[in-house]
Amino acid sequence: GAVVSQHPSRVICKSGTSVKIECRSLDFQATTMFWYRQFPKQSLMLMATSNEGSKATYEQGVEKDKFLINHASLTLSTLTVTSAHPEDSSFYICSAAGQADYGYTFGSGTRLTVV
Amino acid sequence: AQTVTQSQPEMSVQEAETVTLSCTYDTSENNYYLFWYKQPPSRQMILVIRQEAYKQQNATENRFSVNFQKAAKSFSLKISDSQLGDTAMYFCAFITYGQNFVFGPGTRLSVLP
Repeated sequence: GAVVSQHPSRVICKSGTSVKIECRSLDFQATTMFWYRQFPKQSLMLMATSNEGSKATYEQGVEKDKFLINHASLTLSTLTVTSAHPEDSSFYICSAAGQADYGYTFGSGTRLTVV
Repeated sequence: AQTVTQSQPEMSVQEAETVTLSCTYDTSENNYYLFWYKQPPSRQMILVIRQEAYKQQNATENRFSVNFQKAAKSFSLKISDSQLGDTAMYFCAFITYGQNFVFGPGTRLSVLP
């Protein structure tokens, strides 16, 4: 079945630095990838949708200059949290969609802690 | 606006018993997909079951089955013979063509030994 790999699983960074999270579709080409943020004991909140070769579409209230998304190939999307602050600490999850489904394959998530 | 409601924030069930998690949604679309996802403590999102709105027959996957009532916009999940490994957060979600997933707030299920 479809497998999505997300790395790193955990990362701790200092305030003011940038962190990159990778999301890879291992056995299919992902035309669209989704990035979510999840706060403790809450549901998933969609941050942005990225299509290969084009700019990401951000949800209302998500700072596109802080959360840079690149989808340079059909198997890789990256989320870079720039100038991270403690309030950016959260769990980030990606999801990848091929041409025949609706993005229901999720990565294992990344727990980001900014100190 | 498209929304998903899960009215049970927390539920518990004895091992080997049956439990039903409720979900209602609101959409003006006629064609869509409905999902139940499980998120255990590892936080990996695991697809439990999926239902196409155009299919009248309720989906089943081993111990998991749904009761899909399209007119009522209801999509409940029944877990039979509950196991300790079923302890997790369960999210109901739907997606329509060209749109994004809409997730419910989740139900925390605890299976008690």
